[in-house]
Amino acid sequence: QKEVEQDPGPLSVPEGAIVSLNCTYSNSAFQYFMWYRQYSRKGPELLMYTYSSGNKEDGRFTAQVDKSSKYISLFIRDSQPSDSATYLCAMSAYYNQGGKLIFGQGTELSVKP
Amino acid sequence: DADVTQTPRNRITKTGKRIMLECSQTKGHDRMYWYRQDPGLGLRLIYYSFDVKDINKGEISDGYSVSRQAQAKFSLSLESAIPNQTALYFCATSSSGLQETQYFGPGTRLLVL
Repeated sequence: QKEVEQDPGPLSVPEGAIVSLNCTYSNSAFQYFMWYRQYSRKGPELLMYTYSSGNKEDGRFTAQVDKSSKYISLFIRDSQPSDSATYLCAMSAYYNQGGKLIFGQGTELSVKP
Repeated sequence: DADVTQTPRNRITKTGKRIMLECSQTKGHDRMYWYRQDPGLGLRLIYYSFDVKDINKGEISDGYSVSRQAQAKFSLSLESAIPNQTALYFCATSSSGLQETQYFGPGTRLLVL
């Protein structure tokens, strides 16, 4: 079993829809949770970063962490065609430990005009 | 100009050949990483370096070696390439700090025949 599981999709939604992307994990030591966005033929870029449980909002994006269920989510409100990309969750057990990031497989999202 | 650059962007090679992928960064970061990305497997860490004199193996280092020639340069070598090393390779950098974010290069697409 992988430490981090993410539905690879692909996920296709109409413009304006609310998108929910999810990851589950098995290592209860994970405390730092990230979402990266990767456009086609580009490297991933950090979208959201949260520590421990709770919600964090940034514009149309909301990241949720439920450590009791070992489940994290990324919500995109009013989705736009420019949101079409692959979204990767990543997590780490230790602060400032660089190479200890564990990535999910990535979910490919397509937002249709 | 891009902060993290990778050369070459695309490479086709034959089984048994030695090849080198290069990464340079202008972000002034001390930490550098090499990942490979495969469909359905996400990003997996090959090697990472916290400074010029510190090199560490990642999750899948067998068949690879690295060299940190300077703070800004980190090279990945495949000593004797094999077909299952066909993948997308990313270099990333980060600095130690309150929020550790990894900045990725544009990737090198490698095909081993």
